[in-house]
Amino acid sequence: SQQGEEDPQALSIQEGENATMNCSYKTSINNLQWYRQNSGRGLVHLILIRSNEREKHSGRLRVTLDTSKKSSSLLITASRAADTASYFCATDAGDSNSGYALNFGKGTSLLVTP
Amino acid sequence: DTAVSQTPKYLVTQMGNDKSIKCEQNLGHDTMYWYKQDSKKFLKIMFSYNNKELIINETVPNRFSPKSPDKAHLNLHINSLELGDSAVYFCASSPGTGSNYEQYFGPGTRLTVT
Repeated sequence: SQQGEEDPQALSIQEGENATMNCSYKTSINNLQWYRQNSGRGLVHLILIRSNEREKHSGRLRVTLDTSKKSSSLLITASRAADTASYFCATDAGDSNSGYALNFGKGTSLLVTP
Repeated sequence: DTAVSQTPKYLVTQMGNDKSIKCEQNLGHDTMYWYKQDSKKFLKIMFSYNNKELIINETVPNRFSPKSPDKAHLNLHINSLELGDSAVYFCASSPGTGSNYEQYFGPGTRLTVT
C-alpha cells in the first residue's frame, strides 16, 4: 500500500533559488528516506532520517521530519540545473507484517532553469 | 563497475509472449527487489528476496515469477504479456530489509508490449 505523498507534484525554479518538497505519510514509521531520479535513470539514495531525528543535513540538502504531523520536507539550497530530477520519499510501514516493504510516494518533479 | 545491472535496457514485444529481465548486483547485498514504475512515475514494490528467499510478494499477477539462483541475481520472468505490463521495471538491492537500509537501483528496463 502506498505510504508517502509528495507535494507539490511539480516545481519550477531558477538556479540559485531554494527548492522545498514535502512528503506526508499515514502510519507510524521507523525511518524515512529521500531518493532522486534523473530522467531515464534509476533512483539514487539521498538521505535517511530516523524516526527519533528531527533534522538532517547532507551538503546542500536539509531534511526535516515531524512524526506528530506525519510529514517530512526536503530542502535543496542554492539549486543548480543539475538538480533537475524527480524526488521521492520512501517509508516502511514500521512492522514485520508488511515484510518491511519500502513504499514510495509519487514524487515531485523539480525543474531548475538557468 | 556497475553496482546493480539489468538486461535488457529496452524490451519491445507483442502481447502473449513470454520474456525475462535479468538483474545482477556486485555489492554483496543480501536483499534484492523488483519494482514497477508506471507512466505517472508511481513506483510500486513487486517482490523482495532476502538470501534467495522470497519475503515480499505484493499483489502481482502470477504471470510474474521471480527467480533468485543466488544472492547476486534476481531475475523476473513474465508469461503471457499484456498491454498493461508496459512500464519501467527496476531492480534494486540493499544490505538488509526495511527502511534502515538504503537501496541501490539498477538503470531500469523499459518494457513495451504492443
